[in-house]
Amino acid sequence: GEDVEQSLFLSVREGDSSVINCTYTDSSSTYLYWYKQEPGAGLQLLTYIFSNMDMKQDQRLTVLLNKKDKHLSLRIADTQTGDSAIYFCAESTGSQGNLIFGKGTKLSVKP
Amino acid sequence: DGGITQSPKYLFRKEGQNVTLSCEQNLNHDAMYWYRQDPGQGLRLIYYSQIVNDFQKGDIAEGYSVSREKKESFPLTVTSAQKNPTAFYLCAQHGGPITNFGDGTRLSIL
Repeated sequence: GEDVEQSLFLSVREGDSSVINCTYTDSSSTYLYWYKQEPGAGLQLLTYIFSNMDMKQDQRLTVLLNKKDKHLSLRIADTQTGDSAIYFCAESTGSQGNLIFGKGTKLSVKP
Repeated sequence: DGGITQSPKYLFRKEGQNVTLSCEQNLNHDAMYWYRQDPGQGLRLIYYSQIVNDFQKGDIAEGYSVSREKKESFPLTVTSAQKNPTAFYLCAQHGGPITNFGDGTRLSIL
């Protein structure tokens, strides 16, 4: 069945790079997504990548996709305290648009 | 808010009571979704709708009901049959490759 896995916690120092990793099982995934959730809030779409791409860069965010290993990563350059949040990886496998989510990685940024 | 509004932000349910969570979108998208989030968990799909007057069960539909009488509205009713309703409920709409979420409704039991 479909499954998305992420490590639960990551702690970095302010100014360092953060790398959040995700693995998925469904090889028919069309799009893969990264969402950010701050306490008590909904999910904010950070970025997404189409399955035929290897990399996507958007300002401080870099997404790498290894389709062979079904591995997705999100790198945040120059991590700030405002980046502290839970980051969810999700995959979409069809035109219906429903997403399969990982359990989220809680990023803590220490000053 | 990405064009999607949920209300109320907080909701309390008494034993045996049905409660309805509101979700409205202004982007004219066909597809809308309801997800449930429990602490330390990812999101799980409750119901989704691809078109007006049609909807499908997701992975955890038991104890919930929905309607889709208008394109812009997709309310979720948490019925008394849902024995563990305390959670954070998120509504989403999908257009192209993008799914945007509302700010959520936190439901608690009195």
